[in-house]
Amino acid sequence: AQKITQTQPGMFVQEKEAVTLDCTYDTSDPSYGLFWYKQPSSGEMIFLIYQGSYDQQNATEGRYSLNFQKARKSANLVISASQLGDSAMYFCAMRELLTGGGNKLTFGTGTQLKVEL
Amino acid sequence: GAGVSQSPRYKVAKRGQDVALRCDPISGHVSLFWYQQALGQGPEFLTYFQNEAQLDKSGLPSDRFFAERPEGSVSTLKIQRTQQEDSAVYLCASTSVGEYVRTGELFFGEGSRLTVL
Repeated sequence: AQKITQTQPGMFVQEKEAVTLDCTYDTSDPSYGLFWYKQPSSGEMIFLIYQGSYDQQNATEGRYSLNFQKARKSANLVISASQLGDSAMYFCAMRELLTGGGNKLTFGTGTQLKVEL
Repeated sequence: GAGVSQSPRYKVAKRGQDVALRCDPISGHVSLFWYQQALGQGPEFLTYFQNEAQLDKSGLPSDRFFAERPEGSVSTLKIQRTQQEDSAVYLCASTSVGEYVRTGELFFGEGSRLTVL
């Protein structure tokens, strides 16, 4: 079974600074996908960024970038120029095949990010 | 709205009562997922539908949990004889096959928060 580990329960960052949220994973599948989702206090999960295991370059989406280190099995999220609206829970996730067809996401326990003035 | 809609947003049930949670996915989305999110945890997979077919229900915690999607659009998650450990946020997510293959992005609703007293 696949496993996602997020070791930072909470992080603080000052507005306009960059912050890195850690994520390590474990899988025996040669092909996999890694994701980051943001969950504000409203509760919905918001997709941020995706990295495929065979992608040659690290994924970037605006202020979000994924620092993918395959040999170390890490997929850290970097948020540049933090904004107050970035305060939320952040989840790392991995796509896992389902035996009946299709696939599911396995999530980590999350990191609560607080952006301060 | 154009997003995934879930109802009710909040539900309080007495232990032993049956509850039904509804999910309206984005129109045209073939794939539909249910996740359970306990307080302070990441979402945990419950079940997956492709159109009206329930392809995987390996995450359902007991036979008190039942999900259906009879016409391949709206889905209902039913919990019979609720227990206190069923208290959680139940998240529904949908995606088109093409989007999921390309990026794996799931579109989540805001969830239904169930409290069992």
